[in-house]
Amino acid sequence: QKEVEQNSGPLSVPEGAIASLNCTYSDRGSQSFFWYRQYSGKSPELIMSIYSNGDKEDGRFTAQLNKASQYVSLLIRDSQPSDSATYLCAVIGWGQGAQKLVFGQGTRLTINP
Amino acid sequence: KAGVTQTPRYLIKTRGQQVTLSCSPISGHRSVSWYQQTPGQGLQFLFEYFSETQRNKGNFPGRFSGRQFSNSRSEMNVSTLELGDSALYLCASSSGGRVQETQYFGPGTRLLVL
Repeated sequence: QKEVEQNSGPLSVPEGAIASLNCTYSDRGSQSFFWYRQYSGKSPELIMSIYSNGDKEDGRFTAQLNKASQYVSLLIRDSQPSDSATYLCAVIGWGQGAQKLVFGQGTRLTINP
Repeated sequence: KAGVTQTPRYLIKTRGQQVTLSCSPISGHRSVSWYQQTPGQGLQFLFEYFSETQRNKGNFPGRFSGRQFSNSRSEMNVSTLELGDSALYLCASSSGGRVQETQYFGPGTRLLVL
């Protein structure tokens, strides 16, 4: 089982709709969760961080965390073509006695005008 | 504040050679982490340096090494290059107090091994 799993997509959403991106993780002790956006040929940029169960909203973005289900999601409201990118879920996990940021494979999102 | 910078941006090497990549963190950041990104394996953690010491290490062979200088700038070295080392190498910096802090990525160095 991979440490962080995401549906690789592609996920296609019409402009103006809600895009829903999901991520599950295996380390039950994880406490810190991040969503990064990566445009083609560019480096990842942070969108949201979330540490507590529940929802966290920032503009059109909402991150949701459920530690009991080991599940974190990202909702993008009023999707715009500029939101088309790969979205990476990242979790602080432990491996071989060290903490590290573990990334999922990413979900490729396409917003159709 | 200036962002994370990486040099060079592009590199072409041949098998067996070695390469050194450089990363300058955001001013005031003391932690630098290195990642390898490939289409097949995604983003994988290489190692993290904090105050000139390697604080965390991923599952990469000893050919991959790094160091950090007193001004927090970091270098990564890959010796005896293999074709499979072709990748985008990203460094990320954070203030460094805790691993859980947000990491900010540089533009990356794209390495092609022929």
